[in-house]
Amino acid sequence: GEDVEQSLFLSVREGDSSVINCTYTDSSSTYLYWYKQEPGAGLQLLTYIFSNMDMKQDQRLTVLLNKKDKHLSLRIADTQTGDSAIYFCAERGTNKLIFGTGTLLAVQP
Amino acid sequence: SQTIHQWPATLVQPVGSPLSLECTVEGTSNPNLYWYRQAAGRGLQLLFYSVGIGQISSEVPQNLSASRPQDRQFILSSKKLLLSDSGFYLCAWSVLLVAEQYFGPGTRLTVT
Repeated sequence: GEDVEQSLFLSVREGDSSVINCTYTDSSSTYLYWYKQEPGAGLQLLTYIFSNMDMKQDQRLTVLLNKKDKHLSLRIADTQTGDSAIYFCAERGTNKLIFGTGTLLAVQP
Repeated sequence: SQTIHQWPATLVQPVGSPLSLECTVEGTSNPNLYWYRQAAGRGLQLLFYSVGIGQISSEVPQNLSASRPQDRQFILSSKKLLLSDSGFYLCAWSVLLVAEQYFGPGTRLTVT
């Protein structure tokens, strides 16, 4: 079935890089997305990658896609306390958008 | 530009009372609309989605119902709330069912 998995928790120090991982199951997914949810707020679309790309960079964010392993990652460079949030990956499935379980990123000062 | 609104932002209701949460979208026509519930700040559970006025699909059986009386209005209701209905309710919209979704600010519901 369609399932998107993420690790539950990641803790990093301010200024370090963060890498949030995601595995998905639908090899035909055309788009994959990363969302950020700050405490008490809705989800904010951060970035996306098309399936014919291996990497996409947007300022401090780098998305890596390994289609062979169905693995997606989000790297945040120079992580700041404002990056503390839950991060969701999502894949474009056959007839709907499928969200991952979410990774809580805690940034220690 | 498109904007999505939800209200109220927070709600405290006793068990057995009715519920009505509202979501409206501005700046787009014929959006697909979604209701999600998020428990304990973690995963999203899709409750309902709608592809048009009066068209509601339910993803999970539960104590809740949804209605879409207007193109850009989506309402989540319950006749009698349960303690287990507590959570953070999110509304979202998209152009296509498979496309990226844009979320509202959410409603925090506490059933006491």
